[in-house]
Amino acid sequence: AQSVTQLGSHVSVSEGALVLLRCNYSSSVPPYLFWYVQYPNQGLQLLLKYTSAATLVKGINGFEAEFKKSETSFHLTKPSAHMRDAAEYFCAVSLYNQGGKLIFGQGTELSVKP
Amino acid sequence: EPEVTQTPSHQVTQMGQEVILRCVPISNHLYFYWYRQILGQKVEFLVSFYNNEISEKSEIFDDQFSVERPDGSNFTLKIRSTKLEDSAMYFCASSEASRSSGANVLTFGAGSRLTVL
Repeated sequence: AQSVTQLGSHVSVSEGALVLLRCNYSSSVPPYLFWYVQYPNQGLQLLLKYTSAATLVKGINGFEAEFKKSETSFHLTKPSAHMRDAAEYFCAVSLYNQGGKLIFGQGTELSVKP
Repeated sequence: EPEVTQTPSHQVTQMGQEVILRCVPISNHLYFYWYRQILGQKVEFLVSFYNNEISEKSEIFDDQFSVERPDGSNFTLKIRSTKLEDSAMYFCASSEASRSSGANVLTFGAGSRLTVL
């Protein structure tokens, strides 16, 4: 069965600093991988997704993630944090034949200090 | 931008009461989902729905739960007799892509927080 682990339930960075949110997955077959973001009082919004094309995926708001099969990782990065990036970030996995059934990590809350 | 809307945003109920959570998916989407997140835990898949029937459900989705698309726009989750452990944030989502595609992009609503006393 597939699973997702996000290392660190809370990450704090200074404005302008690198953002790195970690995600490791477990899957017996090649997965599809997603990062969603949740701003306060809003729904989960797709940041980016990996669907077996390029391993480096660029998303919205300057975020990107790299699929590393050898490390079973899909870490989310952004070179320079903005205050507006403060939110909760969720990594999720699905299989090719289980459309819509996402397995989520526990989420990482990102704080950005001025 | 099209969005998924959920009502109520917060509901407080007594244990044993029936609760209906409502969702209006994006109008051209064909696949509908409910997820939930118990405080401090992961977001969990509950059920997917297509063509007026359940496509898949998790083991959480027992006989106390039901889903319905009563008209062309609403998608509801009913909990017949709420338990304390049903307290959670419930997220509705919809997608336009094929049920069999794991690359589906889901659009989520803001959630309905259910508190069972």
